[in-house]
Amino acid sequence: GAGVSQTPSNKVTEKGKYVELRCDPISGHTALYWYRQSLGQGPEFLIYFQGTGAADDSGLPNDRFFAVRPEGSVSTLKIQRTERGDSAVYLCASSATGEGTEAFFGQGTRLTVV
Amino acid sequence: AQKVTQAQTEISVVEKEDVTLDCVYETRDTTYYLFWYKQPPSGELVFLIRRNSFDEQNEISGRYSWNFQKSTSSFNFTITASQVVDSAVYFCALISWRDDKIIFGKGTRLHILP
Repeated sequence: GAGVSQTPSNKVTEKGKYVELRCDPISGHTALYWYRQSLGQGPEFLIYFQGTGAADDSGLPNDRFFAVRPEGSVSTLKIQRTERGDSAVYLCASSATGEGTEAFFGQGTRLTVV
Repeated sequence: AQKVTQAQTEISVVEKEDVTLDCVYETRDTTYYLFWYKQPPSGELVFLIRRNSFDEQNEISGRYSWNFQKSTSSFNFTITASQVVDSAVYFCALISWRDDKIIFGKGTRLHILP
């Protein structure tokens, strides 16, 4: 596609529920990142994929968070047993190869846990 | 540890004034990349520039210019003859060759007043 696409753009869920957030990266980009941005803060790293594998998942806050990229393109961020503190904008980015090449971001998914 | 500091939380200037956004970074690596991103009210992070650690040449792109100084670990961004459309949050970011996490500063919110 022309850019990074994230769906849904907004998600409201009840505390305790499970949610999935989807990211379609730019076609051909091998590197994919997930970030979380809270109000008034900079993006906070969650996980980085190179191809199908998670090269660095050190930013995932706890085991309720999990992400996959089974075919090396689309990625899904999964959050179990959501908590109100999970409310944030979740940003996805892709870059051609990683390795310091510029990363292009999607418009994000605004998650609100009520 | 890697860190990006944007000491200016918020800046307001009158249209047509020049404005400089400061960025100071920390890294132990000799090979790294620096970025600036713009986040307008729509929320999407827009890539502006990427510099590698071996290229200290300053860069100009239209009304935008960047001053990279390794001696002071700074990568400052200047907007000349600012316009209302420049109003946004601007993020400075760092990635080292050994670590594919892009580390963001907390951002500077820029208001250009008509």
